[in-house]
Amino acid sequence: DAKTTQPPSMDCAEGRAANLPCNHSTISGNEYVYWYRQIHSQGPQYIIHGLKNNETNEMASLIITEDRKSSTLILPHATLRDTAVYYCIVRVAGTDSWGKLQFGAGTQVVVTP
Amino acid sequence: GAGVSQSPRYKVTKRGQDVALRCDPISGHVSLYWYRQALGQGPEFLTYFNYEAQQDKSGLPNDRFSAERPEGSISTLTIQRTEQRDSAMYRCASSSGGVSYNEQFFGPGTRLTVL
Repeated sequence: DAKTTQPPSMDCAEGRAANLPCNHSTISGNEYVYWYRQIHSQGPQYIIHGLKNNETNEMASLIITEDRKSSTLILPHATLRDTAVYYCIVRVAGTDSWGKLQFGAGTQVVVTP
Repeated sequence: GAGVSQSPRYKVTKRGQDVALRCDPISGHVSLYWYRQALGQGPEFLTYFNYEAQQDKSGLPNDRFSAERPEGSISTLTIQRTEQRDSAMYRCASSSGGVSYNEQFFGPGTRLTVL
């Protein structure tokens, strides 16, 4: 499976947009980009996923570059509750490996007042 | 509705003892996953099931680790002859199954400490 590269940490001001980059330069055509986050000691929480088109839901937007080698997760109006570790994961569809999520180190996002 | 539950939430055991960790997935969820998370690191995949069939156990670190899901619902992760390096948070997740979309819902985890 392709691996991802994320910055280890970033700060964001409350109320501002948080833009979290992810590099996945070796992604294959059948691999999706998933984002999860983990708040403090809780279990990871799904945020959003996409294949090649940009996606938006009530939590965030996902922008995937045309060559699919990188993506950006956007939290439009960060709140203090968005402080968490954010994981970018690429995941193969349609094989027995579909089940596993391969988490890296993620990005520690700290939202400050 | 009820989420994924795990028991016990905390387990302290002595080196060499066997432990059994239980996961109760969201009702009706087809797939069940086990992960292990060391402090300060992301979760590490161990194994997963579709119904009662173990589909992938490539992440189990050695033969002291085993998992079962005999009736396609509750699962047990068993660690035999525990070692101090087994100390970690063990997380279970479940999903509704399917091919194209497979959001995993995580439980609160079991914190295992091996003395």
